[in-house]
Amino acid sequence: GNSVTQMEGPVTLSEEAFLTINCTYTATGYPSLFWYVQYPGEGLQLLLKATKADDKGSNKGFEATYRKETTSFHLEKGSVQVSDSAVYFCALSERSASKIIFGSGTRLSIRP
Amino acid sequence: GAGVSQTPSNKVTEKGKYVELRCDPISGHTALYWYRQSLGQGPEFLIYFQGTGAADDSGLPNDRFFAVRPEGSVSTLKIQRTERGDSAVYLCASSISRGGSTDTQYFGPGTRLTVL
Repeated sequence: GNSVTQMEGPVTLSEEAFLTINCTYTATGYPSLFWYVQYPGEGLQLLLKATKADDKGSNKGFEATYRKETTSFHLEKGSVQVSDSAVYFCALSERSASKIIFGSGTRLSIRP
Repeated sequence: GAGVSQTPSNKVTEKGKYVELRCDPISGHTALYWYRQSLGQGPEFLIYFQGTGAADDSGLPNDRFFAVRPEGSVSTLKIQRTERGDSAVYLCASSISRGGSTDTQYFGPGTRLTVL
């Protein structure tokens, strides 16, 4: 079945460091891919998405590129801030279905 | 505008009791989803409504779980004979149209259910 695997946390970085959170997926078709973020005390919200191969999703300085050949959707940011501290979820949705399948989440902590 | 709201925010119950969790989607959103998030895990899909009907209930773990959306807006997730393993955060989401991979799902804050 479809699944998402992402790097385990927690990940702790210093402010202005480069961030990569790895994500790979297994899917039978051509899914759309997402990164969701859950800030402390807040609800889950969409960070970025990509709907087809080679698409790049971007938002708030974060980027992820849909790589069909490696079935990956790694999240990157060039210079993290303390305010980026949150739990990040990689996810997919098949075109023919509406449910979202989430990874287990990666907790990110940024030190000032 | 108002987002997805869920009530109650916290619910503590005893094993064997019945509980109802409510979700108010964003006005005009026809698609509604329920997910369950256990501690340290990502959300897991439970059920999806398109309008009043359940279009996909493949994620409901067993027949103790049931959900309704009688008027195509508010939805209630019902859990009978609760068990300690049902303890989790129950999330509701809505999207504007028929759902699918291109529609953004907007999530509510969740209801934290604790079964003692």
